[in-house]
Amino acid sequence: AQKITQTQPGMFVQEKEAVTLDCTYDTSDQSYGLFWYKQPSSGEMIFLIYQGSYDEQNATEGRYSLNFQKARKSANLVISASQLGDSAMYFCAMREGIGGGSQGNLIFGKGTKLSVKP
Amino acid sequence: GAGVSQTPSNKVTEKGKYVELRCDPISGHTALYWYRQSLGQGPEFLIYFQGTGAADDSGLPNDRFFAVRPEGSVSTLKIQRTERGDSAVYLCASSPWHYNEQFFGPGTRLTVL
Repeated sequence: AQKITQTQPGMFVQEKEAVTLDCTYDTSDQSYGLFWYKQPSSGEMIFLIYQGSYDEQNATEGRYSLNFQKARKSANLVISASQLGDSAMYFCAMREGIGGGSQGNLIFGKGTKLSVKP
Repeated sequence: GAGVSQTPSNKVTEKGKYVELRCDPISGHTALYWYRQSLGQGPEFLIYFQGTGAADDSGLPNDRFFAVRPEGSVSTLKIQRTERGDSAVYLCASSPWHYNEQFFGPGTRLTVL
């Protein structure tokens, strides 16, 4: 079974509008972390935002916020006021807890390609 | 400060050859990860080093793949008898500790002809 599911292969958004990228996850661990990375065409993975499973508040970093719904096992990324430079692949990733034998490696989804239209 | 660097940026080789891919992590980062990203996919974990030792190599696909980190800094991923299916982007990431955010390098694009 997929541990990270990103159901949107591609998304379009108009410049200056907000967009939500979906991510659902599957784990039996109580302690885990959720990450979003951006991968422009240059190929480098750029860290955007992190949410710990015990964090009660949704994480925010500038124009990025993470809509964390623990009961639904979803961790959607919201980008506000989209910019042309936001066009890239976006990956959701999970780091499972030590109890599950994790050594901290990330499990990635297949990604969503976001295109921002001027 | 300098980020994670990887060399070469591109490597083209022939089936059956041996290749080495190098990763230079951020100074002071003790945790180092290798991932492989095939076209249209997210990165997949290969191996994790804490210091000099491979703490988890469960992601290595077979015994043709091997990695070292002899002095706890630079790491080399070695692939023997390369196959066309090994073609992918190999990403390296480092973090101050294995439970922190990971900082990725630009990757090495390996093409096996």
